[in-house]
Amino acid sequence: KNEVEQSPQNLTAQEGEFITINCSYSVGISALHWLQQHPGGGIVSLFMLSSGKKKHGRLIATINIQEKHSSLHITASHPRDSAVYICAVGGYNTDKLIFGTGTRLQVFP
Amino acid sequence: NAGVTQTPKFRILKIGQSMTLQCTQDMNHNYMYWYRQDPGMGLKLIYYSVGAGITDKGEVPNGYNVSRSTTEDFPLRLELAAPSQTSVYFCASSYSSGGYGDTQYFGPGTRLTVL
Repeated sequence: KNEVEQSPQNLTAQEGEFITINCSYSVGISALHWLQQHPGGGIVSLFMLSSGKKKHGRLIATINIQEKHSSLHITASHPRDSAVYICAVGGYNTDKLIFGTGTRLQVFP
Repeated sequence: NAGVTQTPKFRILKIGQSMTLQCTQDMNHNYMYWYRQDPGMGLKLIYYSVGAGITDKGEVPNGYNVSRSTTEDFPLRLELAAPSQTSVYFCASSYSSGGYGDTQYFGPGTRLTVL
């Protein structure tokens, strides 16, 4: 079993829909990251969370440390949101991140 | 700032050839990482460095070597290329440890095919 599991693996949506991507992890963590990888391949960091909730524009990320679970929400989705969304966790006393396999999102007009 | 740059963008190697993937960052970051991304798989850490002169193995180091002689550069060397090394390679950097929450900045990637 992977230490970081994402669901769903693939997601299609119509423009305007509310999107939720889930990330569950099995290790103790100090931080959780959400990243976005566009079809061209570039990877950018969206959020870093250690507790609670963060919002940036139409993106909202939440984390529940007790349940070892995080969600990434996209409100009013748009075709430009089409990308792979990757969850990664960093443990205590480690310099490394453990990555999920990603959720591929396609938003159609 | 250019951020993290990688060269080349694409490369085709024959089995047994060697090459160096270049990575440079201009953000004065201490930490640098090399990852590989295989289709349908998560990013796997090959090697990382916490500062000039200090490197350590990640999850999948076999077949690769690294060096870190300056803060800016972190080249990845492939010796005796094998088809299993066909992948997309990403270099990343951060000021402090990603495990403690610091953002990692990624380069654009190098797509390597070994035939």
